[in-house]
Parts: sequence; structure tokens; C-alpha cells
Amino acid sequence: RKEVEQDPGPFNVPEGATVAFNCTYSNSASQSFFWYRQDCRKEPKLLMSVYSSGNEDGRFTAQLNRASQYISLLIRDSKLSDSATYLCVVKGNGNKLVFGAGTILRVKS
Amino acid sequence: GAGVSQSPSNKVTEKGKDVELRCDPISGHTALYWYRQSLGQGLEFLIYFQGNSAPDKSGLPSDRFSAERTGGSVSTLTIQRTQQEDSAVYLCASSSDYAETQYFGPGTRLLVL
Repeated sequence: RKEVEQDPGPFNVPEGATVAFNCTYSNSASQSFFWYRQDCRKEPKLLMSVYSSGNEDGRFTAQLNRASQYISLLIRDSKLSDSATYLCVVKGNGNKLVFGAGTILRVKS
Repeated sequence: GAGVSQSPSNKVTEKGKDVELRCDPISGHTALYWYRQSLGQGLEFLIYFQGNSAPDKSGLPSDRFSAERTGGSVSTLTIQRTQQEDSAVYLCASSSDYAETQYFGPGTRLLVL
């Protein structure tokens, strides 16, 4: 079983739609969680950290369910520019990040 | 300000040759990480340097892979006797001491023929 698992997608949605991604992790001792965004042929960039209480940044909402060991990302009012691969990331032992394989989002007009 | 830089951007080599990939972290960042990403795959951790501590080499796939970090700044990842399965994008990231946000460089695309 992979340490971090995501639905690879692709999720094809129209502009303005709301879309949600889930991710599960296997290490119950994990303490830090993130969503990174990766554009085609570019490096990953931090989108947002995920806190136990849930957090929101504009159109993006991240939530953590420790009991079920899953993390979610909700994108409201999707824009064309949101098209990218979204990487679920869990901080493992030390400062090492464990990446999921990513979920592809395609927003279409 | 300057971000993480990597060189070369692209490298094509023949099977069996050695390659060196370079990473310049953000100035002042004490932590440096190497990852690789194969086509359509997630990022795979390779090695992690933190200050003067011994590096965490737990992700290196074989003894053909090695990395060093001189003077606590620039890092070089060396792959000896390259194989076709080494073809991937090699990404370097850095972070400030114990900070959680890692900043990635643009990567080196390695193709082994």
C-alpha cells in the first residue's frame, strides 16, 4: 500500500464548478499535511497547508480527518487557471515529505 | 528574490555514463532535499541534508546514487553508470531550519539512452 494515495483523475469540470479531491495516508503518526500544485512540466509549489481545524484560502478549502486518515481539498468557482495536478503531501519522519502521485484537474470553458 | 536553481535544465546521456546534477538552494536555507519524478508518477524522496547533520540517504535507490553538499550550500547529485530507468526529472528543494514549506527548483530532466 502506498503511503499517500490519491485518485489520479482526470477530473474534467466546467468553469464555475465546485470540485473536491480526497487523499488517504497510511502513517497514523503523521503530523503535517499539505496540498501542492504542479503545472505541466513545472516544479511543485505549495498551495496550502492543512490544519486539524480545517482552513480556507479564498476559493480553496482544505480539511483533515485524522480518525479516517484522509485529507480533502475543495475548489469553488473553478477557473481555467486552476487546471493543474494537485499533490497531496504528508510530512513523514524528520522533515521528509511523502507525495501522492497527484490528481489531474482540467477546467474547461 | 532568487529561488532554488538547478543545472543543467536538461541532460541526455548514454547508458553507463556518469552524470552530475547541481542544486543551488535559497540563500540561508539550511535544509536541502533531492527528489525524482518519473513520467506520470509522484515525487520520490532521495536524500535530505539538514545543516551539519549526517544526511538522510534512505531514499537513494542504489549505490550508484550519491550526493554531497559542500559548505552547507550547493549540492551535487551524482549518478554513476546510468541506466535507462534513471530517466526522470530530478528536483531539488530547500527550506529554512525546521520550516515546513519546501521550495522547489525547476528540475533537471535526465534522459538516459
